[in-house]
Amino acid sequence: SYELTQPLSVSVALGQTAIITCGGNTIGIKSVHWYQQRPGQAPVLIIYRDSNRPSGIPERISGSNSDNTATLTISGVQAGDEADYYCQVWDSSAVILGGGTKLTVL
Amino acid sequence: QVQLVESGGGVVQPGGSLRLSCEASGFTFSSYGMHWVRQAPGKGLEWVTAIWFDGSRTHYADSVKDRFTISRDNSKNTVYLQMNSLRAEDTAMYYCARGLQYLADWGQGTLVTVAS
Repeated sequence: SYELTQPLSVSVALGQTAIITCGGNTIGIKSVHWYQQRPGQAPVLIIYRDSNRPSGIPERISGSNSDNTATLTISGVQAGDEADYYCQVWDSSAVILGGGTKLTVL
Repeated sequence: QVQLVESGGGVVQPGGSLRLSCEASGFTFSSYGMHWVRQAPGKGLEWVTAIWFDGSRTHYADSVKDRFTISRDNSKNTVYLQMNSLRAEDTAMYYCARGLQYLADWGQGTLVTVAS
């Protein structure tokens, strides 16, 4: 079955740029979606179909996808961005989720 | 606005059964696929099952196949998860979510604890 690989953790200084990767075999030909889960809260969709933001998601959050890696980029990181982030694809009629990346803001 | 409200969680003994419900509002329920996703304490998200907008197709994770059944009642704007033969490893927060290929909206979850 298809697998997605994310780093367990990423740390970034306040105001800097955070980059979270999601690896998968030829993931570039799939649509990748990203979710943010703050502590104690339900997940929220922040990027769909590689690079589209739902309404209410700020422009400083962006996504890209190519070859074997999809990337979530958060510019001007704020304290409120500290959360777990999950990538996801739809493959063989199943939702495939990455293991999640904990973003720590220093 | 979209609202998804889960209910039916609780404590159940190993081998027991439980039925979760998710009542939807704020969108045309009969036009959307629905999912259940769970999260064990301190762990990541795990997709459980999905059902198409009209209930014609269902999909399951291997970990729950033949034990869990997803269904929906479009007249009641509600999706259900029937969970049988529950195991300790089924202990988790269970979220329902709207969408098919991606999960556009999520409920707040209902907690299921399997313990003797």
